Amino acid sequence: GENVEQHPSTLSVQEGDSAVIKCTYSDSASNYFPWYKQELGKRPQLIIDIRSNVGEKKDQRIAVTLNKTAKHFSLHITETQPEDSAVYFCAASRGSQGNLIFGKGTKLSVKP
Amino acid sequence: DTAVSQTPKYLVTQMGNDKSIKCEQNLGHDTMYWYKQDSKKFLKIMFSYNNKELIINETVPNRFSPKSPDKAHLNLHINSLELGDSAVYFCASSQDDKTQHFGDGTRLSIL
Repeated sequence: GENVEQHPSTLSVQEGDSAVIKCTYSDSASNYFPWYKQELGKRPQLIIDIRSNVGEKKDQRIAVTLNKTAKHFSLHITETQPEDSAVYFCAASRGSQGNLIFGKGTKLSVKP
Repeated sequence: DTAVSQTPKYLVTQMGNDKSIKCEQNLGHDTMYWYKQDSKKFLKIMFSYNNKELIINETVPNRFSPKSPDKAHLNLHINSLELGDSAVYFCASSQDDKTQHFGDGTRLSIL
């Protein structure tokens, strides 16, 4: 089955710096890669996703890149703000043929 | 107007008891899920269910069973609760595009 590895497990940056979180997956049939943000005590919320027919997607300060050959994808947050502090999860699935498999999460701390 | 709602929000109970957590979605989605998030924040799929198929994660003990009275509801029944069942349980739903919408979670504490 699918296995998703996520690094780093913790990340601390200064406000205004960029943050990068990386994930690798094992199932070459996976074609959907969402990223979720979970604030303390709250539910995971989708912040951006990418499908395998696209190499990069951007939404304001957030971007995701996908390298299907290497089977890895990354989340990039620019101009970080204290409210970006949260746990971020990557995930992968085969779309309609499989469940979402999550990485173990990255705790991002943005220091003012 | 909450899209995916779970009850109760908190559940404290004794070891060995049987309990249920309810989940309802008003998004018209075909598929619903249950996840377990342990103290280390790992999110693990337990079940996915649509009106055609139940997919069970093989690591889930058979003390856990999903019950779906209709497309908008997927309840989780847990028998003979154990200390290791303490966690936050999230319900979610999705349509074919696999964007999953999560409920607010149920924090289960076993005494």
